[in-house]
Amino acid sequence: EVQLVESGEGLVQPGSSMKLSCVASGFTFSNYGMNWIRQAPKKGLEWIALIYYDSSSKYYADSVKGRFTISRDNSKNTLYLEMNSLRSEDTAMYYCAKGFDYWGQGVMVTVSS
Amino acid sequence: DVVMTQTPPSLSVAIGQSVSISCKSSQSLVYSDGKTYLHWLLQSPGRSPKRLIYQVSNLGSGVPDRFSGTGSQKDFTLKISRVEAEDLGVYYCAQTTHFPLTFGSGTKLEIK
Repeated sequence: EVQLVESGEGLVQPGSSMKLSCVASGFTFSNYGMNWIRQAPKKGLEWIALIYYDSSSKYYADSVKGRFTISRDNSKNTLYLEMNSLRSEDTAMYYCAKGFDYWGQGVMVTVSS
Repeated sequence: DVVMTQTPPSLSVAIGQSVSISCKSSQSLVYSDGKTYLHWLLQSPGRSPKRLIYQVSNLGSGVPDRFSGTGSQKDFTLKISRVEAEDLGVYYCAQTTHFPLTFGSGTKLEIK
């Protein structure tokens, strides 16, 4: 059974940094591209980053480019999202996803003073 | 960016009825490999999204065949035949042909 378990949830002040993790199981993690997608409260889905299976390519939404970094450690079956210079508009539920076919349960990131 | 326009924004249907949701993209979703990367997702209340259909018409694992997807190029439709109570939630179309990947704004399905 495919499982994706995010961690790193929290409340931070504007301008600060935070790192999310997503541990994968039930499939060969090193064979698949992975995404981070977020959902602001009561809003729709927003894709924010994708990383190829071997980290050879990374893509970002303009809204996070230069502030967020996606990475992975295939030896640990773990996906990461490093978030810097956080803004109030980054407040959202953050999901990791294997492609778009399996999604984690999400973690809430709140940016507020 | 590819804009995904979903209609209607909401639907209210009785159990057993059929419904259709439209998704139109601002650009063709046919990739250079000839495949069309248009997908449908359902977010049930309080849950993570779940993929229902991938590449226009392929049913995801465990998805009932009451769900079907059709379309091509820029015009796509999700049909739910014989709606059941468990189908309530917000349906999203999504494209993974072009970066940035984009989603429709969602269609909220309510059960009468």
